[in-house]
Amino acid sequence: DQQVKQNSPSLSVQEGRISILNCDYTNSMFDYFLWYKKYPAEGPTFLISISSIKDKNEDGRFTVFLNKSAKHLSLHIVPSQPGDSAVYFCAASVGTGANSKLTFGKGITLSVRP
Amino acid sequence: KAGVTQTPRYLIKTRGQQVTLSCSPISGHRSVSWYQQTPGQGLQFLFEYFSETQRNKGNFPGRFSGRQFSNSRSEMNVSTLELGDSALYLCASSFILRQGFRINEQFFGPGTRLTVL
Repeated sequence: DQQVKQNSPSLSVQEGRISILNCDYTNSMFDYFLWYKKYPAEGPTFLISISSIKDKNEDGRFTVFLNKSAKHLSLHIVPSQPGDSAVYFCAASVGTGANSKLTFGKGITLSVRP
Repeated sequence: KAGVTQTPRYLIKTRGQQVTLSCSPISGHRSVSWYQQTPGQGLQFLFEYFSETQRNKGNFPGRFSGRQFSNSRSEMNVSTLELGDSALYLCASSFILRQGFRINEQFFGPGTRLTVL
């Protein structure tokens, strides 16, 4: 059973526009969420995270929104740049303690057109 | 500071063989996690080691095993390889504070691409 779902496998946007990547989760115990970006032939790199005590976290062009009641989070990239083209993974954990583990979604391939 | 390194980067094996993959974490990181990435399933957690002990385990058969050495380096072993084991195997390290809390993110290596023929 997929506890973290990224239902859209791909997204294509024009350079300069907003990219919105969605993620849903089913486990109500999840209270910490992360986004990772992955380029081909490289490992995923951490992008941004959010704790369940917040509903928004912003870092430069990247903003993550969390809707706990809907068990939904989204990553907004504004403005989108061609270098943002990559696979984006949503991940969740129960706590951030030493025994916590990350559960990942299947990923979304973002293509930013010049 | 050097990142997470994984060897080998590419590997081709045949069904029934066994394989060992290696991961060296970032200096000072004592937690090492292993993931399998496939197009259909995304990133799936295999197991995590901390201080030479397996602390978390995912839902993979016993053919998948691992260990961690005193210098925090980790190895993953897959025995009796099957075609479905073809995947990118990723290792990630993280820093555990003395208080037991994990720094937010895990740092991933580039992965080992395993192809089973």
